[in-house]
Amino acid sequence: GDSVTQMEGPVTLSEEAFLTINCTYTATGYPSLFWYVQYPGEGLQLLLKATKADDKGSNKGFEATYRKETTSFHLEKGSVQVSDSAVYFCALSDPGPGTYKYIFGTGTRLKVLA
Amino acid sequence: DAGVTQSPTHLIKTRGQQVTLRCSPKSGHDTVSWYQQALGQGPQFIFQYYEEEERQRGNFPDRFSGHQFPNYSSELNVNALLLGDSALYLCASSKTGQSSANYGYTFGSGTRLTVV
Repeated sequence: GDSVTQMEGPVTLSEEAFLTINCTYTATGYPSLFWYVQYPGEGLQLLLKATKADDKGSNKGFEATYRKETTSFHLEKGSVQVSDSAVYFCALSDPGPGTYKYIFGTGTRLKVLA
Repeated sequence: DAGVTQSPTHLIKTRGQQVTLRCSPKSGHDTVSWYQQALGQGPQFIFQYYEEEERQRGNFPDRFSGHQFPNYSSELNVNALLLGDSALYLCASSKTGQSSANYGYTFGSGTRLTVV
């Protein structure tokens, strides 16, 4: 079945460092791909998404490109801030009709130090 | 504008008991999904409700059931609780025409259930 694999955390960075969180997926079709972020004590928030190959999703300085050839959707940010400390989840959904669920990775905790 | 509201925020139950969790979707949304997030894991899809019917279900036993009311709010019921049911239960909402996961859902902060 479909699955998502994320790099294990925690990832600890200094403020203004470059961030990469790896995400790869396995899917029978051509899924849509997402990054969600979960701040402490809160629910998941959609960070960015991409619905087809070579699409780049971006938001709040974060970017991820849908790479079909490597089945990857790595999250990047050029300069992290303390406020980016959170858990990041990569997810996919099957774009076929009648599919309404996400398949999530296990999450990667990011800690940014001042 | 209130987002997705879940209640209660925390709950402690004993093995074998039954529990009901509640969710009010974001204003304007009419579809509700439920996810279980075990500690250190990603959320797992339980089911989705639309027009008061269960539209899709994940790999969860029949002990997990739900309901959607005419005002679009929803309940998740779990019977015969097991220790392994301890988790954060998340509710997510969306609106008609954007109910595919491809549009992105609005999630609540969750209910933390502890089974002892």
